[in-house]
Amino acid sequence: AQRVTQPEKLLSVFKGAPVELKCNYSYSGSPELFWYVQYSRQRLQLLLRHISRESIKGFTADLNKGETSFHLKKPFAQEEDSAMYYCALSDTGGFKTIFGAGTRLFVKA
Amino acid sequence: NAGVTQTPKFRVLKTGQSMTLLCAQDMNHEYMYWYRQDPGMGLRLIHYSVGEGTTAKGEVPDGYNVSRLKKQNFLLGLESAAPSQTSVYFCASSRQVGNQPQHFGDGTRLSIL
Repeated sequence: AQRVTQPEKLLSVFKGAPVELKCNYSYSGSPELFWYVQYSRQRLQLLLRHISRESIKGFTADLNKGETSFHLKKPFAQEEDSAMYYCALSDTGGFKTIFGAGTRLFVKA
Repeated sequence: NAGVTQTPKFRVLKTGQSMTLLCAQDMNHEYMYWYRQDPGMGLRLIHYSVGEGTTAKGEVPDGYNVSRLKKQNFLLGLESAAPSQTSVYFCASSRQVGNQPQHFGDGTRLSIL
């Protein structure tokens, strides 16, 4: 069964510390993976997708097919990074996207 | 651009009442989706549509119906609301080509008493 697991409900780090939000997936085909972010009082929006292999707001994510993981990383967290982060997997046909339960990141001053 | 617009933003219903949530997108997207967001469970797909006049069930479709009579609109209906349907509902849309990211509305907070 297709599944996206984000093991941490809450992650709290100090400003300037490295941050890693974990995401593991279960999918039999070749997945398309995304990270979405929801800042306070804003709508859910795309942060990055693995196919783009780009860095957005200092965040990167590498797809590890062997470990079936797509962890989100940033070397130096900023207070404005505090938000809810969702890892998502899209099936081959692109019709449906499965979301993880989300991780709330809190960056302390 | 408005993107994806959801109405209403908030609503309180009594058990057994019915209502319709409206989602409108101005990006000419083919695909549209309805999700519900509950604490600790992320976003779960209720129904989706891959084009005008077509709909399909998602992960948690029971108790909901949808219609896509026009390409830009996707309606979610609750025929007989139940307290278990208290949630935040999100509409999203995406382009047809490839695995495109989804664009979300602001959400509708629905409480069923």
